[in-house]
Formats: sequence, structure tokens, C-alpha cells
Amino acid sequence: EAQVTQNPRYLITVTGKKLTVTCSQNMNHEYMSWYRQDPGLGLRQIYYSMNVEVTDKGDVPEGYKVSRKEKRNFPLILESPSPNQTSLYFCASSLYGVMNTGELFFGEGSRLTVL
Amino acid sequence: AQTVTQSQPEMSVQEAETVTLSCTYDTSESDYYLFWYKQPPSRQMILVIRQEAYKQQNATENRFSVNFQKAAKSFSLKISDSQLGDAAMYFCAYRRPNTGNQFYFGTGTSLTVIP
Repeated sequence: EAQVTQNPRYLITVTGKKLTVTCSQNMNHEYMSWYRQDPGLGLRQIYYSMNVEVTDKGDVPEGYKVSRKEKRNFPLILESPSPNQTSLYFCASSLYGVMNTGELFFGEGSRLTVL
Repeated sequence: AQTVTQSQPEMSVQEAETVTLSCTYDTSESDYYLFWYKQPPSRQMILVIRQEAYKQQNATENRFSVNFQKAAKSFSLKISDSQLGDAAMYFCAYRRPNTGNQFYFGTGTSLTVIP
């Protein structure tokens, strides 16, 4: 089954304790991205990657890191989480280039709470 | 910068009736994609409908159709014969093609379906 898998789905942590949210897709997509969803603000892009070893900042990258060492994986790293990073996080992937259908495929979301 | 505006934070519709959700966007591009995504209480992001800007014909998917007005930069979603399962948050999204491949989302419209 074609899917984007995120883990963990739920996490409660404390300020300053490093954490990683993993994301993996099995559709051989070049493009992967992370979003955070907050009430009244919609989805805002954190980072994106157009291929292995190619990453770029989205609209709200502060406090986050990413890496793309393999095509299928795109982890989101919070080196020192703060309460304002409490949010619902989505990983998504897409084909890139002229053959793509345009749409993003989303993971199921990760609810993160930073105390 | 591209922006997507959904001016209706909340909408309601009687079961079996028709409702239209509005979306406007700002772009200087001539070719792009537009999407409507549905987010039910399960939080999963589900693609409802897609429109390529170069196509003049409005996209339709069963009970869902769009009114795409390229010159006005407007992309509304019409849901006909509304069902209880249509209750969800709906996000309008814009995708810039080729360069950067970034997606931009509106702030969402919460749709309530009244039995």
C-alpha cells in the first residue's frame, strides 16, 4: 500500500529535550516536506526537500532541522523543543517534475506537546 | 509571494443541500495547480479535487466540483447533496510548478453538516 508513515503519532516532551519525528514514504517520491498545523493558521511549511541531500527552508524553519540521506526518509529534528513548537505535524511527499500529478500525499500526523 | 485566502472560517449546511466554500489566491505564475483537501476529525488529509490552471474546464469529482476563475484568481468548492460524512475542515492549496515545488495552504474552512 502506498503510504507516508510518521512516528510517533503522539508525543509529550519537556522543554529542551531533543526529539526526532520520523517520516518514510514508499512511493519513490522525490519531493518531501514537513508542515505544522495550528488553529487559525492552516498548514505552514517548515522544510522541504526536492531530492536526496537537497533541502530548503519553508516559511517557519526556526527551531527545526531536517536531513535527506535516503530518498524514502525525511526526519524532522527538534534540537531543543520549546512550548511554541506544540503543534500537529504532517509529513508529505510528491512526485517532482513533468510527470507528476501535482498532489501531496500526507502522513497521518504527529501531535507534539512540549511542556 | 504566493498566498491563499479562505475567508470563511466556518460554514454550515443542511444535509442534502449544496454549499460553496470560497478560496482566492495570489500569484504571478500562469501555470500552477490548485487543490482542495479535506481533514475529517481523524486528522488525515484527504485530496478532494485537483485543478490544473491551464485547463479551462472546471474539475468535478462526483458530488464535488470547483468554480475556477483564473483571471479573478478564485477557486471555490461546491459540495452537492451534502452528507454527514462531509463534515470536516477543508483546505484550499496552491502549488507552484517546477521551481521549488512549494505548496501554499489557506487557513481552512470548518464545515458542519446539520442532519
